[in-house]
Amino acid sequence: EAGVAQSPRYKIIEKRQSVAFWCNPISGHATLYWYQQILGQGPKLLIQFQNNGVVDDSQLPKDRFSAERLKGVDSTLKIQPAKLEDSAVYLCASSPGYVEQFFGPGTRLTVL
Amino acid sequence: KNEVEQSPQNLTAQEGEFITINCSYSVGISALHWLQQHPGGGIVSLFMLSSGKKKHGRLIATINIQEKHSSLHITASHPRDSAVYICAVRRSGTYKYIFGTGTRLKVLA
Repeated sequence: EAGVAQSPRYKIIEKRQSVAFWCNPISGHATLYWYQQILGQGPKLLIQFQNNGVVDDSQLPKDRFSAERLKGVDSTLKIQPAKLEDSAVYLCASSPGYVEQFFGPGTRLTVL
Repeated sequence: KNEVEQSPQNLTAQEGEFITINCSYSVGISALHWLQQHPGGGIVSLFMLSSGKKKHGRLIATINIQEKHSSLHITASHPRDSAVYICAVRRSGTYKYIFGTGTRLKVLA
């Protein structure tokens, strides 16, 4: 079974630029999560989708972050414009329900 | 105070040592996960517990629901066990996961 795929694995941008991350969950997994993990901290949930609907985006900085999950499969997370404090690893996870989550390899973002 | 606390934050051990990592939480939960994160960033799920004890190879995870405490044990530790170990709980009645800040383990040869 293929795991959760994410791209790119690494991204370096300057502040005020835009960036987008892509996630392809495990086939058949209805629930998809985006997490932000700042160095030395645990992951923080940014947004959770159930199929193509948003279940929880209470911690998503909506002035600069946006996410979508078209057709309930792939998802993209965008930051526009980026700030220095957005430097982090962005993790995507999927789940067949509300049980165990399966994580992707993450995208390490550096904002200069 | 964080709802999920891990200890120690950092741990260095010699190869072959028995290792224990602790997780305490202050909320009602329906499940607890132990996760392993290697330097590349990807996370692997080691265990999901709602009661008792689970064992997989050299790894053992226990949970005491009454005391709101879980431990992850590694027997006969090896340098390849070096990673960050994260405790995550699913809050009762919700789909939300709360993550600890992780324990950074380094096993020396």
